[in-house]
Amino acid sequence: GAVVSQHPSWVICKSGTSVKIECRSLDFQATTMFWYRQFPKQSLMLMATSNEGSKATYEQGVEKDKFLINHASLTLSTLTVTSAHPEDSSFYICSARGIGSGKSYNEQFFGPGTRLTVL
Amino acid sequence: RKEVEQDPGPFNVPEGATVAFNCTYSNSASQSFFWYRQDCRKEPKLLMSVYSSGNEDGRFTAQLNRASQYISLLIRDSKLSDSATYLCVVNNFNKFYFGSGTKLNVKP
Repeated sequence: GAVVSQHPSWVICKSGTSVKIECRSLDFQATTMFWYRQFPKQSLMLMATSNEGSKATYEQGVEKDKFLINHASLTLSTLTVTSAHPEDSSFYICSARGIGSGKSYNEQFFGPGTRLTVL
Repeated sequence: RKEVEQDPGPFNVPEGATVAFNCTYSNSASQSFFWYRQDCRKEPKLLMSVYSSGNEDGRFTAQLNRASQYISLLIRDSKLSDSATYLCVVNNFNKFYFGSGTKLNVKP
């Protein structure tokens, strides 16, 4: 149990285009989803926290108009990178926690990540 | 100051060795603590939660010292498959903060 999927697993796009990444909890209700970014040889940096049905809370330094987060249901959150630039190239990982995961509420489950390359 | 600090390593150890990783955190009000393992280009996976009383899972032992704001992970009888980056994670008010990770290389 407690499986989180992400789609796509990798994407290459041109500078200036927008990319949408989906994060799904497959067998539990994700009341909270987190979006992280990881640059090579660095740790995960929290970008935003998303609670189902409400606006995401962004970390300092993360542009909410550039990284659009939607958490419209208990099993799906999306991150849209708008007007992508080469410096947005990174590994984007979502995680989820919630009801029915069979684990402690504090435990979060990670998706496999999406590798974004902007040319 | 970073929320969570770890020695980046790498720690290069032979199979069968015992190795210990340390981590410090800056917010004394932090509520829960974890060790995650991350393999190259993969997502982090929970290794174990860390409790004040200390906890053990097979070859892995985790300790928490709230007074010193210090977390440790001990790996006994290292296996080649233990080679990975170990991430110290701290939960502050429903936000999870990751250390930069400690890289472990277990060699035959």
